[in-house]
Formats: sequence, structure tokens, C-alpha cells
Amino acid sequence: NAGVTQTPKFQVLKTGQSMTLQCAQDMNHEYMSWYRQDPGMGLRLIHYSVGAGITDQGEVPNGYNVSRSTTEDFPLRLLSAAPSQTSVYFCASSLKTGLLSEQYFGPGTRLTVT
Amino acid sequence: DAKTTQPNSMESNEEEPVHLPCNHSTISGTDYIHWYRQLPSQGPEYVIHGLTSNVNNRMASLAIAEDRKSSTLILHRATLRDAAVYYCILRRTSNTGKLIFGQGTTLQVKP
Repeated sequence: NAGVTQTPKFQVLKTGQSMTLQCAQDMNHEYMSWYRQDPGMGLRLIHYSVGAGITDQGEVPNGYNVSRSTTEDFPLRLLSAAPSQTSVYFCASSLKTGLLSEQYFGPGTRLTVT
Repeated sequence: DAKTTQPNSMESNEEEPVHLPCNHSTISGTDYIHWYRQLPSQGPEYVIHGLTSNVNNRMASLAIAEDRKSSTLILHRATLRDAAVYYCILRRTSNTGKLIFGQGTTLQVKP
């Protein structure tokens, strides 16, 4: 298994540009989520999905959209990038949403918005 | 979600045991205690979790106080590769898989 993969690894955007961060998992996990991590801080939840066709907002959803058309993929869209969205983005997945489900994280995408 | 409190940083010598504390005085009866760690420039990885009893796995041990208001992650023999940020997280029955990360403890391991 490749686990959780994220592309790209690095990205530089100009203010106002749009882009999609890709996340895929090959473990048939129901639950997927996106976090952002700012320097020196813990991770904050952006959006999550408990299964294909179902998404919901986390702590910091503004400026981001998600969709979940397949079990494997959970892309994160920035519609109009802002410097405040400069961060490292992590995607995670787990088999179930339950308390005992270990979450697997991808390697991250480092995004800079100028 | 109940809050956890961890020291900002700790140091350890290589090949010695490390005890990483976590206070969670407002824990409820249905909160599970989870630990994740984040190695430099990587995503977090699961370490261990428990409810009431002490737990062991290949990576670490988790000691939970009898009143559950605190817990300790124990690395039995620290290696340089254990240098990371360690997060103590409470997961509640009602949440939908969300992990609420605090600041964590940055562990430095000296050779």
C-alpha cells in the first residue's frame, strides 16, 4: 500500500490564484480529513469526510472547499488564495470514524502565497 | 472537547527512558486518550491510545492515572529517531473522528 499520498509537495501561489491540493489513499478508508499547520503550532482541522458524498466543516473552513466523489480521493480547493493560507497542509485517513481508529497522515504540502 | 496540557519541551539522553506527561483534568468518562507524534518535516503518526488501563505496544507505553486526570507516555529507551513533537489528544464519543491538536511537547534526544 502507498498509504496516504499528497501532491504537490511544494507550491507557490500568487494572491487570488486558485489551486487544488490532491489527497489519495489506497486503504479503503471511510474517513478522510484535511488539516493545516502554521509555524510552531499544532494542526487545525479544515474539512473532513465520513464517506463518499459526505463532507463537513472543521475548525477553520473559510477559504477552502472540498468534495468526496470517491472513497480514495479527497481534494482540497483554494478558490482565491490569500497570504493567510500560507501553511503546511496535511491529509489524513482512517478506516472508521470511531474513537479507536488510528489516523494515517500524508507527507504534507507546503504552500506559500505571495 | 476537553483540553490537554503538556510541557512545551523536554530533553532526554539517548538510550534512557522518557516520561512525557499530559494533564487532562476535565476529561469525561467516555474520552479516550490518544498520543500522536510528528517527526521533523513529516505528518503526524499514531503512537498509542487508552481509556482506563495502562497500555503497551511496540512503540511505547501509556500509563493512565487512576482518576484519569493525567497520563504519561513512556518511551522505554529513547533513540535519536524519537526526537519529535508529541501530542496528547482526547477523543470523545460524540466527535466524528476529529483530532484536536494542542501545542504538544517537543522532545529533544541527546546522544
